[in-house]
Amino acid sequence: NAGVTQTPKFQVLKTGQSMTLQCAQDMNHEYMSWYRQDPGMGLRLIHYSVGAGITDQGEVPNGYNVSRSTTEDFPLRLLSAAPSQTSVYFCASSPSPGLTGELFFGEGSRLTVL
Amino acid sequence: TQLLEQSPQFLSIQEGENLTVYCNSSSVFSSLQWYRQEPGEGPVLLVTVVTGGEVKKLKRLTFQFGDARKDSSLHITAAQPGDTGLYLCAVEYGNKLVFGAGTILRVKS
Repeated sequence: NAGVTQTPKFQVLKTGQSMTLQCAQDMNHEYMSWYRQDPGMGLRLIHYSVGAGITDQGEVPNGYNVSRSTTEDFPLRLLSAAPSQTSVYFCASSPSPGLTGELFFGEGSRLTVL
Repeated sequence: TQLLEQSPQFLSIQEGENLTVYCNSSSVFSSLQWYRQEPGEGPVLLVTVVTGGEVKKLKRLTFQFGDARKDSSLHITAAQPGDTGLYLCAVEYGNKLVFGAGTILRVKS
């Protein structure tokens, strides 16, 4: 039972470097999302997708890009990393974000930007 | 200002004690979810409450949705070290699930 798989689990970057956080789910969920978690601030939504080919911005989208070419994959790209992007990133999926929708989370990717 | 305000931010108690944590808002919601997150893992859904005044029980955890559907509480009876974690409430807001900042619970044995 893979569920939501995130890679890498840990990453250290230098300011200005780029990288992609990978997220894959095997539950055939239409809805996928990326959150970042910082101490005292809970989970903040970065980007989300309601289906292949459709993406939209969340609460804190600046500095991040996403694409959704397949139902299974939803990568998050940092084009030019900044220390403010040091955080733990969670990918989550749901059959639907509707009334009874449950988000299934990956185990997280801890990113440090020096 | 955050859509959801959770209190307290941090709670440290002894095994066997009872506790209540709160999730408050000035907005009305059609439903509210509670998640628990253990260190190094992603959040896991505990319960969804839908009806104003609804009470749901999950073993020693009791969840209540306010009559006006603006707030919710989570009560834990006889807390155990295994209850340690971050408790998050969340509501649907458009096509998004918005979370509160959470309550960190530490239960000492």
